[in-house]
Amino acid sequence: DIQMTQSPASLSASLEEIVTITCQASQDIGNWLAWYQQKPGKSPQLLIHSATSLADGIPSRFSGSRSGTQYSLKISRLQVEDTGIYYCLQRYSNPYTFGAGTKLELK
Amino acid sequence: EVQLVESGGGLVQPGRSLKLSCAASGFTFSDYNMAWVRQAPKKGLEWVATISYDGSSTYYRDSVKGRFTISRDNAKSTLYLQMDSLRSEDTATYYCARRAHFDYWGQGVMVTVSS
Repeated sequence: DIQMTQSPASLSASLEEIVTITCQASQDIGNWLAWYQQKPGKSPQLLIHSATSLADGIPSRFSGSRSGTQYSLKISRLQVEDTGIYYCLQRYSNPYTFGAGTKLELK
Repeated sequence: EVQLVESGGGLVQPGRSLKLSCAASGFTFSDYNMAWVRQAPKKGLEWVATISYDGSSTYYRDSVKGRFTISRDNAKSTLYLQMDSLRSEDTATYYCARRAHFDYWGQGVMVTVSS
């Protein structure tokens, strides 16, 4: 199975700060990587797909990048509504695997 | 507007069965592969199963293989998850999702396996 190692597990940042979350894949997964945001009691929302493509309706302050088997989600200017838990997901091969999640809070 | 609405959850004893449904609307259901994802209380997300657009191919995580069956009725735009021989570790909120990037998710349905 492909392991997705997500870091950090938790993060506290200030408004307007730049935030970066990473996922390291245990093997090559190409661009089969997506990022999701989940708020308490809600279902996950797609932010980024295909490693770098912004999902419909998602603010441009969110961006995704890839360097080899390391994937990053960047929030360029943190807003209040960006708090929540972020997950990466690899869809390269079954079983699809999620990262363990990053809890993002406002400082 | 794309909508996915799960139903069928509840409290069930270990070893018993439960069938979840996911009613889809707002898109051509028969064009899309679909999936189930679960989330144990206070835990992360876990992919459970995937089914192809026509139902001809299915995939399961090892821990549910042989116990869970994913299926679909394209005429009714409905996805199913038949869960047999349930265990306490199956306790979770179950989400259906459109497999194209997992771009749309239902609101989730809670399944509690306990005596």
